[in-house]
Amino acid sequence: AQRVTQPEKLLSVFKGAPVELKCNYSYSGSPELFWYVQYSRQRLQLLLRHISRESIKGFTADLNKGETSFHLKKPFAQEEDSAMYYCALSGPNSGYALNFGKGTSLLVTP
Amino acid sequence: DVKVTQSSRYLVKRTGEKVFLECVQDMDHENMFWYRQDPGLGLRLIYFSYDVKMKEKGDIPEGYSVSREKKERFSLILESASTNQTSMYLCASSRPDTSGANVLTFGAGSRLTVL
Repeated sequence: AQRVTQPEKLLSVFKGAPVELKCNYSYSGSPELFWYVQYSRQRLQLLLRHISRESIKGFTADLNKGETSFHLKKPFAQEEDSAMYYCALSGPNSGYALNFGKGTSLLVTP
Repeated sequence: DVKVTQSSRYLVKRTGEKVFLECVQDMDHENMFWYRQDPGLGLRLIYFSYDVKMKEKGDIPEGYSVSREKKERFSLILESASTNQTSMYLCASSRPDTSGANVLTFGAGSRLTVL
C-alpha cells in the first residue's frame, strides 16, 4: 500500500531561520512526489515536484529513495511562507490520483 | 487563466437531504477528482474519473456517488447527507504533462455543513 507521512502537524520558525518540512513515503516502485501548498484563503496549488528538480520560492526537495523521503527545505524562511503544506505521491498503482499526507502547517514569525 | 470552478463555495444542508456539488474545468483535462479536506486528516480521495462516464472509487467512497456525463463536468452527489460529511470538498483536474508527471489543478473548494 502506498502511504505518505508528514510527522509534524505544526512547525513554527522565526523569519530568516532554515525550515525543513518532513515527508516520508511507502511505495513499491518508482513514485512521483509532489509538494502542494495552500496559503490562507487561497486554493491548493503545486509548489514543486521531484521530477523537475527545481527551486520554487526558494524551496527545494530531494527525493531520497534509500530513506524513502522527500523533505521540503528552505534556507531562510519568510513570513509569506506561512501556509499549509502537503506532500503527495502518485504512481502506476494509484492510477492518476494523488495520495496526500495529512499536511504540515508552517508558521513563520517575525 | 485556466480554471477549475466549483459552483458553490458554501452550502448548509440538513441531514438526509440530497446534495449536489458541481465542478467544471476549462482545460480539456481527461482526469477529474473529488477530495475532502479535513483538519488533521489532510486530503482524502473520494472518487476520480479518467474519462467521460468512467469513474473509480477512491479511499472513502462510502456515502458518495459521482457523475461525469461531459468531459468538463464532474459532479459529486451525497444521496442522503449526514453530519459526518460536513467538510471542505475539493475538486481537481489533470492531464499528464510531457514529462509524464500528473499535476493536479484544484478548485477553490466547497464548504459543506450538514445540520
